[in-house]
Amino acid sequence: AQSVTQLGSHVSVSEGALVLLRCNYSSSVPPYLFWYVQYPNQGLQLLLKYTTGATLVKGINGFEAEFKKSETSFHLTKPSAHMSDAAEYFCAVNGRFGNEKLTFGTGTRLTIIP
Amino acid sequence: DAGITQSPRHKVTETGTPVTLRCHQTENHRYMYWYRQDPGHGLRLIHYSYGVKDTDKGEVSDGYSVSRSKTEDFLLTLESATSSQTSVYFCAISPGLAGHEQFFGPGTRLTVL
Repeated sequence: AQSVTQLGSHVSVSEGALVLLRCNYSSSVPPYLFWYVQYPNQGLQLLLKYTTGATLVKGINGFEAEFKKSETSFHLTKPSAHMSDAAEYFCAVNGRFGNEKLTFGTGTRLTIIP
Repeated sequence: DAGITQSPRHKVTETGTPVTLRCHQTENHRYMYWYRQDPGHGLRLIHYSYGVKDTDKGEVSDGYSVSRSKTEDFLLTLESATSSQTSVYFCAISPGLAGHEQFFGPGTRLTVL
């Protein structure tokens, strides 16, 4: 069984400031972890994913995330926020060894303050 | 972009009527999924398919049925729509390989009056 907790349903940051969106997971097996972004009235788009290897993962649009097994976390960061980053962000997990279903967090809506 | 289309994109219907949503893919992926998205709940899996005529339930399957007669099409049916089924419905596809992401369609906004 697995679950995802995203701390903060709404996050506001100023343009140019650090973006930090938090994700903690629970999984009984080594996880695969994903961050998706959803712009208004659109489907979800993959930002980045962690499968194996390097724990710091770089994605599109300047985002990155670090897998920390000891903290069961996969927080998403971006050094400098841009107005175009305003969207909803979802963390998701699935277990290895044949589990093809994703479990999603409830999402974090990111607002950028000019 | 992954070739996924959903139809219709918007639908308004009345309580008690049957509704069918269609997902069509051109990627020949094995797995197809139906989710609903509601505020405060994120995305919740309704049903998924792992091949033609092979389907299984997700966490919120009550009131929904699915069918997959061809690799490229996955249908979601609400036999008798209720107001609690007002939601945005997303289809997703995946090759089902370990660690592979799912690709999402543009969504269908369904309103049940």
